[in-house]
Amino acid sequence: GENVEQHPSTLSVQEGDSAVIKCTYSDSASNYFPWYKQELGKRPQLIIDIRSNVGEKKDQRIAVTLNKTAKHFSLHITETQPEDSAVYFCAASGGFKTIFGAGTRLFVKA
Amino acid sequence: DSGVTQTPKHLITATGQRVTLRCSPRSGDLSVYWYQQSLDQGLQFLIQYYNGEERAKGNILERFSAQQFPDLHSELNLSSLELGDSALYFCASSAPGLAGQETQYFGPGTRLLVL
Repeated sequence: GENVEQHPSTLSVQEGDSAVIKCTYSDSASNYFPWYKQELGKRPQLIIDIRSNVGEKKDQRIAVTLNKTAKHFSLHITETQPEDSAVYFCAASGGFKTIFGAGTRLFVKA
Repeated sequence: DSGVTQTPKHLITATGQRVTLRCSPRSGDLSVYWYQQSLDQGLQFLIQYYNGEERAKGNILERFSAQQFPDLHSELNLSSLELGDSALYFCASSAPGLAGQETQYFGPGTRLLVL
């Protein structure tokens, strides 16, 4: 069946460094790729998304890139801050189906 | 605050029991999604409703069922509960849009503990 692989499962960076999280999807029908941030015990919150007709999107310190040919998409966080520490989920959506990656736990050390 | 509400926030019950979780979507949203998140795990999609009709089904157990009512709120029913059903249950909603491109907004979740 369709799935979304997300790497790494855990990422530890120093404050001010960049963090990159990568996802690969299998369903060719996927055309919408949101990223969610989930703090401990809280709901997932949308931080950025990208649609299949766009290769890159940026919002302040956060950017997402999409390579539809390779079925890869990535989240880039620059100038990381301690408040960026959370679990990040990628998702691939197409038709009536949204599949989430397993999540990446990001630690930003002050 | 996403505008999606869920009740109750916490639920403690015993094995074999039945519980109902409730979700109210954002105003104007027609789709409701249910997810299960076990401790330190990802989001497992259970089921989606659109304007009262079931639209997509994920890994939902036969002991679980859901429905969406005419006022668009949704209920997830969990029966014959087992210890492994302890988890955080999230509801999300989305507005009508291009199929597969609707942004989902999550509620605060219901934390279920089965003892």
